[in-house]
Amino acid sequence: EVRLVESGGGLVQPGRSLRLSCAASGFTFDNYAMHWVRQAPGKGLEWVSGINWNSASIGYADSVKGRFTISRDNARNSLYLQMNSLRAEDTALYYCAKIRLGGYSGYDHAFDNWGQGTLVTVSS
Amino acid sequence: DIQMTQSPSTLSASVGDRVTITCRASQSINNWLAWYQQKPGKVPKLLIHKASSLESGVPSRFSGSGSGTEFTLTISSLQPDDFATYYCQQYNSYSTFGQGTKLEIK
Repeated sequence: EVRLVESGGGLVQPGRSLRLSCAASGFTFDNYAMHWVRQAPGKGLEWVSGINWNSASIGYADSVKGRFTISRDNARNSLYLQMNSLRAEDTALYYCAKIRLGGYSGYDHAFDNWGQGTLVTVSS
Repeated sequence: DIQMTQSPSTLSASVGDRVTITCRASQSINNWLAWYQQKPGKVPKLLIHKASSLESGVPSRFSGSGSGTEFTLTISSLQPDDFATYYCQQYNSYSTFGQGTKLEIK
C-alpha cells in the first residue's frame, strides 16, 4: 500500500523559513516523480512544485519560484520542500503527491496518491 | 503559464441526473488532462487521466472527453456519493488546476 506522510508544518512568522518533508513507502520511490500541491483554507488546489525521479527535472509555480526549493533523497525515500521568505498567502495545507506513471523521465503527470497534508500557517 | 477555467463553479443536481463539467485551457494541452474528486476534509482522488482514461476502481458512470483546449467530465447518473468538488488539472506544461466545481444536491 502506497503511503505518503508529510511533516514539518506549523506556525511561522512572515519572512521566516520552514522545511517540509514527505516520507514515502509502499512503492519504489526512485521510480516516480513527486510533487507538492497546496490548498489554502476553503480554497482550491494549487500546484507548487514537481521533481522527476533523479532530480534532473524540476519545476515551480510562479507564486513560489525563487523562494521555495524542492528536493528528494531516494536513499531515504523522502521528498522535501524548503520554503523561504514565507508570506501570509503561503498559508495552506501542503500535500505531497506521487505521479501515476513509473519510469517516466519527466515530472508532468497525473497524481494517483496523495498524503494527508501538513498545515503551514504564516502569521505574525 | 497555462490557465485552466472550469464551469460552472457550482452545480446543483439530483440523484440520477446526468451532469457535465467543462474545463477550458488557455492554450492547447493536447490530452494531458486529469480530473479529481475531493470531498470535505479528504484528499483529492484521481478519476480520469489523459483526458478520457478511467482510473482503476473508478465507477464507469464517470467519463471524460476532449482534447486541445476544451474538456468535459460527465457523470451519467449521479449517486449520493458523487456530491463533492471536482478539479481538472493540466500536465502538458508544469501543472495547473482549475478553480473547482462544487456539485451540490438540489
